[in-house]
Amino acid sequence: ETGVTQSPTHLIKTRGQQVTLRCSSQSGHNTVSWYQQALGQGPQFIFQYYREEENGRGNFPPRFSGLQFPNYSSELNVNALELDDSALYLCASSFRQSGQETQYFGPGTRLLVL
Amino acid sequence: AQSVTQPDIHITVSEGASLELRCNYSYGATPYLFWYVQSPGQGLQLLLKYFSGDTMVQGIKGFEAEFKRSQSSFNLRKPSVHWSDAAEYFCAVGPNAGNMLTFGGGTRLMVKP
Repeated sequence: ETGVTQSPTHLIKTRGQQVTLRCSSQSGHNTVSWYQQALGQGPQFIFQYYREEENGRGNFPPRFSGLQFPNYSSELNVNALELDDSALYLCASSFRQSGQETQYFGPGTRLLVL
Repeated sequence: AQSVTQPDIHITVSEGASLELRCNYSYGATPYLFWYVQSPGQGLQLLLKYFSGDTMVQGIKGFEAEFKRSQSSFNLRKPSVHWSDAAEYFCAVGPNAGNMLTFGGGTRLMVKP
């Protein structure tokens, strides 16, 4: 039990639609990262938010966007869904202080795009 | 660019046998290295991490890993595997502790009774 929750657990969308995935971090965690894990692959870093501002981004297009809220929750938004967006989306939170904090992962949201 | 290679996609070991999962990384600076485990339908659980200091690190569930800078490797070991260890294992590297990680493709471990 990491204290990180994600909703929904599963989701089915059609190509071209928009989707919002949610993550609730541990209380006090000021950093949240999102990862995409395609079937049979390792997770890929999408972006990271620190104190409600994006401060790092992987090789993902702008149609992937996010928000982080003061209540330790966050969102991943994906516009104009494509079939290749089908994946497990993981969020991970941590408290940035010494540079040696541990990142805690949620169970993920499995998105299927038809 | 940083990268992580896990050469073994699948490994099968007998229960009670020893285990070694290989991980090679490419990183321009001093790496922060991690091993995670993922059971079916679950998120990622941190097994252990290396930041600096002693090159042999101990983790949870009896796992350990050895950092070898000269070989750019961070192999995971366990002396005696239990059936409950069957899962997917991921090695990861990052610029600091647990953020913006680059993961390997994973090794699926199966345990024979």
